[in-house]
Amino acid sequence: RKEVEQDPGPFNVPEGATVAFNCTYSNSASQSFFWYRQDCRKEPKLLMSVYSSGNEDGRFTAQLNRASQYISLLIRDSKLSDSATYLCVVNSISSGSARQLTFGSGTQLTVLP
Amino acid sequence: DGGITQSPKYLFRKEGQNVTLSCEQNLNHDAMYWYRQDPGQGLRLIYYSQIVNDFQKGDIAEGYSVSREKKESFPLTVTSAQKNPTAFYLCASSIGSARLGNEQFFGPGTRLTVL
Repeated sequence: RKEVEQDPGPFNVPEGATVAFNCTYSNSASQSFFWYRQDCRKEPKLLMSVYSSGNEDGRFTAQLNRASQYISLLIRDSKLSDSATYLCVVNSISSGSARQLTFGSGTQLTVLP
Repeated sequence: DGGITQSPKYLFRKEGQNVTLSCEQNLNHDAMYWYRQDPGQGLRLIYYSQIVNDFQKGDIAEGYSVSREKKESFPLTVTSAQKNPTAFYLCASSIGSARLGNEQFFGPGTRLTVL
C-alpha cells in the first residue's frame, strides 16, 4: 500500500462548480499535512496546510480525519485558473529519524469554460 | 527577493557522463532537499540535508551524490551509475530542521534528458 494515495483523476468540471479531492495516508503517526498545487511542467507550490480542526482559505477548505486517516480539499466556485494537479502531502518518519514529507501522485483538475 | 534558484532549467547529457545540478536559496533555511519527479508519479526523495556539512540518503539515492558546504547551496550530481536519470529534478528547502516536517518550498526545477 502506498504511504499517500490519491485518485489521479482527471476531474473535469465546469466553471463555478464545487469539487472535492480525497487523500488517504497509511502512517498513523503522521502529524503534518499539506495540499500543494502543481501547474504543468512547474514546481509544486504550497496551497495550504491542513489543521486538525479544518481550515478555510477563500474558496478552499481543507479537512483532516485522523481516525480514518484521510485528508480532503474542497474547492468552491471553480475558476479556470484552478486547473492544475493537486498534491496531497504528509509528513512521515524516515529511517534516518528525521520527519520527511511524502507526496501523493496528485489529482489532476481541469476547469472547463 | 528571497527564493530558491535552480540551474540550468534544461540539461542534456550523454550516457556515461556525470552532471551537476545547482540549487541555491537565500531564505536562510536550514534544511534542503532533492527530489525526482517522473511523469504521472509523485515526488521521490533523493537526498536531504539538515545542516551544513551533513546530508542523508533519501529513498532513491543510488547513482546520485550531494554536498552541503554552504548553508545556501546544495548541488546534486547525477552520476553515470544512475540507470535512468531522465526526469524532472526539484530542489526544496524548509525552515528549521527536517525533523519538524515543516512545509517545503521548491525551486523551479531542472529537466534532465539523457541522450
